[in-house]
Amino acid sequence: DAKTTQPTSMDCAEGRAANLPCNHSTISGNEYVYWYRQIHSQGPQYIIHGLKNNETNEMASLIITEDRKSSTLILPHATLRDTAVYYCIVLITQGGSEKLVFGKGTKLTVNP
Amino acid sequence: NAGVTQTPKFQVLKTGQSMTLQCAQDMNHEYMSWYRQDPGMGLRLIHYSVGAGITDQGEVPNGYNVSRSTTEDFPLRLLSAAPSQTSVYFCASSWDRAYGYTFGSGTRLTVV
Repeated sequence: DAKTTQPTSMDCAEGRAANLPCNHSTISGNEYVYWYRQIHSQGPQYIIHGLKNNETNEMASLIITEDRKSSTLILPHATLRDTAVYYCIVLITQGGSEKLVFGKGTKLTVNP
Repeated sequence: NAGVTQTPKFQVLKTGQSMTLQCAQDMNHEYMSWYRQDPGMGLRLIHYSVGAGITDQGEVPNGYNVSRSTTEDFPLRLLSAAPSQTSVYFCASSWDRAYGYTFGSGTRLTVV
């Protein structure tokens, strides 16, 4: 049970902002939203995460709706190297332990 | 820091053989996890650990054993390999949710 829903694929023009949506309507109040990406067959790479507030780092911005039922990952100036599968994940916590459960992700293709 | 190191990178097994996939991290991370990724699919959690001596099952634990005798190492054992276990296996570790998980480069296993 991945608890998140993402579009299967998206396209973006190089240099433009890429906005990747994610629905997590059953998220609990203390569960974080994480974003990872996977380029080719490499290990997934951590991008950003958040709980309630919007977050920004050197890679991306994360916008979480006020009701926390959805979020958007923004890559402000997409490059060809951003072509990857992007995973939106809710960190599941139970009994004091926590685990990441991946869905199928969004295949982002950045076009020249 | 070497990060998360997985060995071997490639392995071919015959049905019924057993083997251990190694995972080591030098970041003093408490949380460690094993995932498998089948072609065109997202990652599925096999087993995870929140510290030395503590392990728990993920989504697809059948056919796999783990132990965590030290903070650094989290080996994954295949008891009797089956063709259905042909996959790419990723190990990940984290110190705290605030820093995300670091993934290894993967072990590509083929069972014939």
